Amino acid sequence: EVQLVQSGAEVKKPGESLKISCKGSGYSFTSYWIGWVRQMPGKGLEWMGIIYPGDSDTRYSPSFQGQVTISADKSISTAYLQWSSLKASDTAMYYCARSPVVVVPAAILHYGMDVWGQGTTVTVSS
Amino acid sequence: EIVMTQSPATLSVSPGERATLSCRASQSVSSNLAWYQQKPGQAPRLLIYGASTRATGIPARFSGSGSGTEFTLTISSLQSEDFAVYYCQQYNNWPPLYTFGQGTKLEIK
Repeated sequence: EVQLVQSGAEVKKPGESLKISCKGSGYSFTSYWIGWVRQMPGKGLEWMGIIYPGDSDTRYSPSFQGQVTISADKSISTAYLQWSSLKASDTAMYYCARSPVVVVPAAILHYGMDVWGQGTTVTVSS
Repeated sequence: EIVMTQSPATLSVSPGERATLSCRASQSVSSNLAWYQQKPGQAPRLLIYGASTRATGIPARFSGSGSGTEFTLTISSLQSEDFAVYYCQQYNNWPPLYTFGQGTKLEIK
């Protein structure tokens, strides 16, 4: 079974650092992009960025560039989202999702975000 | 940055009826458009990619159409389990950059 399993809920204070994880299984982890999505309480989905674990190519939404760091350790099929100094406004649910992208001659084919993790709740409060 | 605008914000429809949800891009995204369903307390679920291709396991009552800047998600005969929030998402060919719309809440009339 293809699945992404995220780390558990976190409660942190402003200014603290945090790294949450997303472990893939049931497929070739290095062959699929992994994206991260934020959902603030009662709000919509915001796409944060994406990483290709095969070579760690990473892209960020302009809204999140410089605010978070996305990384991956392909040896353990795990992607990460980290903050160096949390703010109260980082309080949200964070999802990882597999994002198949296939490059063929003269075309790049996207297949949406087809497998999602269960989400990690991050609460930042003093 | 491409902005995705969904309408209406809330749509009230009776079970068994048809629902039509709209998504507009601020500039052409070709057919690089996906739709997701999210129920309370759950992760989103991919419904449609490539503007009109149903994802694996998605019932035929869900259909997507459009290209360029105007897209539609149609649910032909609403079932009780279809009442949820729906998001459209555009994706750039390369590099892979994505943007969500703000969502449409589909509620029972």
